[in-house]
Amino acid sequence: AQSVTQLGSHVSVSEGALVLLRCNYSSSVPPYLFWYVQYPNQGLQLLLKYTSAATLVKGINGFEAEFKKSETSFHLTKPSAHMSDAAEYFCAVSGGGTSYGKLTFGQGTILTVHP
Amino acid sequence: GAVVSQHPSWVICKSGTSVKIECRSLDFQATTMFWYRQFPKQSLMLMATSNEGSKATYEQGVEKDKFLINHASLTLSTLTVTSAHPEDSSFYICSAQTFGTGTYEQYFGPGTRLTVT
Repeated sequence: AQSVTQLGSHVSVSEGALVLLRCNYSSSVPPYLFWYVQYPNQGLQLLLKYTSAATLVKGINGFEAEFKKSETSFHLTKPSAHMSDAAEYFCAVSGGGTSYGKLTFGQGTILTVHP
Repeated sequence: GAVVSQHPSWVICKSGTSVKIECRSLDFQATTMFWYRQFPKQSLMLMATSNEGSKATYEQGVEKDKFLINHASLTLSTLTVTSAHPEDSSFYICSAQTFGTGTYEQYFGPGTRLTVT
């Protein structure tokens, strides 16, 4: 069984400030971990994914996430927020093999960026 | 980039009727498509996995006779909500998976909002 917990349903930052979106997971098998972003009226877009290679994963738009097995975490960060980063972010986990792609999502975190 | 479309984007139907939602991969072939459901203020929940030409695999607690899934081609999967009831009102999202540059990639559609009156 797998589960994902995103701490904070809403996060607000100032433009130029650090963005930190928290994600903790639970998985009985080695996990594959994903971060997706959803803009209004659009489908989910993959930001980055961890697939058991490097623990620090770099994604699009300056985002990165670090897989920490000991903490069962996969937090998403960006050094400097931009107004265009305002959106909803979802962390997700998947198993491997035939379970790959069957995503279990967190509750989502709405990121607001203030000028 | 790879694009997945859903049609309709929004539908209202009367209780007891059926409604079909289409999911298409526009510029790639998808051997596997997934259907998710999202209630307001809640996360996406996987309903079923469909592979082209075979029966869908439903997640525990999802009624297969109520949510009929057909994946007749590598670019089209359909979800039919049969005998819809107000509790079926939700946001339905599909995704299509393909094998890209050495790894599987999954692309999401924009979703279909179903309201049952």
